[in-house]
Amino acid sequence: DAGVTQSPTHLIKTRGQQVTLRCSPKSGHDTVSWYQQALGQGPQFIFQYYEEEERQRGNFPDRFSGHQFPNYSSELNVNALLLGDSALYLCASRPSQTRTNYGYTFGSGTRLTVV
Amino acid sequence: TQLLEQSPQFLSIQEGENLTVYCNSSSVFSSLQWYRQEPGEGPVLLVTVVTGGEVKKLKRLTFQFGDARKDSSLHITAAQTGDTGLYLCARDSWGKLQFGAGTQVVVTP
Repeated sequence: DAGVTQSPTHLIKTRGQQVTLRCSPKSGHDTVSWYQQALGQGPQFIFQYYEEEERQRGNFPDRFSGHQFPNYSSELNVNALLLGDSALYLCASRPSQTRTNYGYTFGSGTRLTVV
Repeated sequence: TQLLEQSPQFLSIQEGENLTVYCNSSSVFSSLQWYRQEPGEGPVLLVTVVTGGEVKKLKRLTFQFGDARKDSSLHITAAQTGDTGLYLCARDSWGKLQFGAGTQVVVTP
C-alpha cells in the first residue's frame, strides 16, 4: 500500500517564477494538508483541503494557492517566488472520518530551492 | 513566540546511552503527538498522548504527558544509531498540526 507520494523530489527555480508541487494521498485518505519546513525548523501549516475546498489556512500570503482533485490528489502552487520560499514542502493526508488526535501520514517532501 | 518549546535543540550521544527530550507549553492541550523525521523524509508519527500523567512505551521509547497536560517528554533507553533523527512534538488544532522546532538527535557508534 503506497503511502503519500509527492513530486518532484527536488526543484530549482529562479526568483519571480511560479512552481507547482503535486501530492497523491495515501489510499483511503481524503483530507490533504500542506506544510513548509525551513532548514532546522518544524513544519509550518500552509492549508488543508477536503472535498476539493480549502478548509483551513495558515499564515501564508496569497501567493500560495492550492487545489484538490476529485481523486483526492492535490497541488500546491506558489507564484512570484522569493528566495525565502526555499524549503522542504510536505504533503500530509488522513481520512476525514477520524478521531481528533488521529495522526497524519506525511510524504517525503519536495525540496524547493529558489535562486 | 512558539506555541511548543522543545529542548534541547541538539543532542549528540553515543550508542547505548540514554536521552530525554522535552516539549513544553504555557497552554493546556487535549492531546500531543510525537513524530520522528529522518533526513530526506517526512515526519512519521510515533505516538499520541491524551490523558494527563499518561505514560506510553514503544520498545525503547517512553513518552510521558504531564499531569497538567502542558508538557511532554520522550525518553530513549540504550540509544541506537537508528534513533538518529529530528524529534518533533505537535498539537492537533482542528486538523491543523502545530509543531515545535524539534530536537535533532545524533547517535554515534
